[in-house]
Amino acid sequence: QVQVVQSGAELKRPGASVTVSCKSSGYTFTSYYVHWVRQAPGQGLEWMGRINPGGGGGTKYAQKFQGRVTMTRDTSTSTVYMELSSLTSEDTAIYYCAREDGAGATKLDYWGQGTLVTVSS
Amino acid sequence: DIQMTQSPSSLSASVGDRVTIACRASRRISTYLNWYQQKPGQPPKFLIYDVSNLQTGVPSRFSGSGSGTDFTLTISSVQPEDFATYYCQQSYIDPPTFGQGTRLDLK
Repeated sequence: QVQVVQSGAELKRPGASVTVSCKSSGYTFTSYYVHWVRQAPGQGLEWMGRINPGGGGGTKYAQKFQGRVTMTRDTSTSTVYMELSSLTSEDTAIYYCAREDGAGATKLDYWGQGTLVTVSS
Repeated sequence: DIQMTQSPSSLSASVGDRVTIACRASRRISTYLNWYQQKPGQPPKFLIYDVSNLQTGVPSRFSGSGSGTDFTLTISSVQPEDFATYYCQQSYIDPPTFGQGTRLDLK
């Protein structure tokens, strides 16, 4: 069965960077895009970007995060990473990774459990 | 970016009620409209794709309709496990965008 497991909660100081991991199992890792979506406390869902774990690991990022986010993958461990730099309190949120269903549009069928990132001095 | 607007932002219902949630896109998105359900402390769950197709395992009391810019999610008879927040999402063009959510709670 498909499983998506994320790394644990993080506490970071303003200006620091954070890296969240997302390990997939139960399917062919390189055949499905992985997206990152975040949710600030009590707020809605915000798309951050996606990575193609196959091929060259191509990425597409939301304009809001361009220059501050980097998504990478390790095919040997079926793991995707999301690094966000220059953190501010506005980045305090739950970060989710999610698999795209493979049909050619952004339909997110399996989600990780979420990783809480808290930015505080 | 395409803006997705849901209404109402919240609604109260009793078990057995029929409820409808609306979602409007700021431009036409054909049938590239998906719905998710989120319960407190959990990630979103994929419910419906391409307006009206139920994801595997989703009960048939859920249905979706619409095209162009206006869409609806209907629960024909609300069950206790349906009290949650619902989000629409367009997959017509990047970036994918979500509605602000509709919270369904117990009356």
